[in-house]
Amino acid sequence: KNEVEQSPQNLTAQEGEFITINCSYSVGISALHWLQQHPGGGIVSLFMLSSGKKKHGRLIATINIQEKHSSLHITASHPRDSAVYICAVGNTDKLIFGTGTRLQVFP
Amino acid sequence: ETGVTQSPTHLIKTRGQQVTLRCSSQSGHNTVSWYQQALGQGPQFIFQYYREEENGRGNFPPRFSGLQFPNYSSELNVNALELDDSALYLCASSWGFGLQETQYFGPGTRLLVL
Repeated sequence: KNEVEQSPQNLTAQEGEFITINCSYSVGISALHWLQQHPGGGIVSLFMLSSGKKKHGRLIATINIQEKHSSLHITASHPRDSAVYICAVGNTDKLIFGTGTRLQVFP
Repeated sequence: ETGVTQSPTHLIKTRGQQVTLRCSSQSGHNTVSWYQQALGQGPQFIFQYYREEENGRGNFPPRFSGLQFPNYSSELNVNALELDDSALYLCASSWGFGLQETQYFGPGTRLLVL
């Protein structure tokens, strides 16, 4: 069993839909990262969380430390949101990645 | 645009050769970490450096080594290349100590080992 599990692996949506991507982990962490990777490889850091909730534009990330679970929400999804979303958990000396959720948003 | 650059963008090597990949961090970032991402997989943590010292390593053999320089540049060296080393290699830098800081990723170097 992977230390970081994401669901779903693949997700398709119509433009405007509300999207949720989940991440569960089994190790102790000091921070959880949500990353976005576009075709071609470039990775952008969306959020870094250690507790609670963060919001940036149409993106919201939450984390429940007790349940070892985090969610990434996208409101009013748009085709430009199409990408792979990766959850990574870390502490001072190690970062463990999930395998990613591939999102496609159609107009 | 994160300000983190990597070179080269693409590279082809043959089995048994050695390769050096380079990363230039954002000015002021004391931590750099390196990742290997095989096709269709999530990234795997190789190691990180903080102020020129290795601080944390993933499950990679010693033929993967690194250096971090005072000018915020760093290198990933891989000796005795194997076919399975074909992957996208990403570096990321951050302000403080450790991986609990926001990571700023470079565009990656795509390595093909034949």
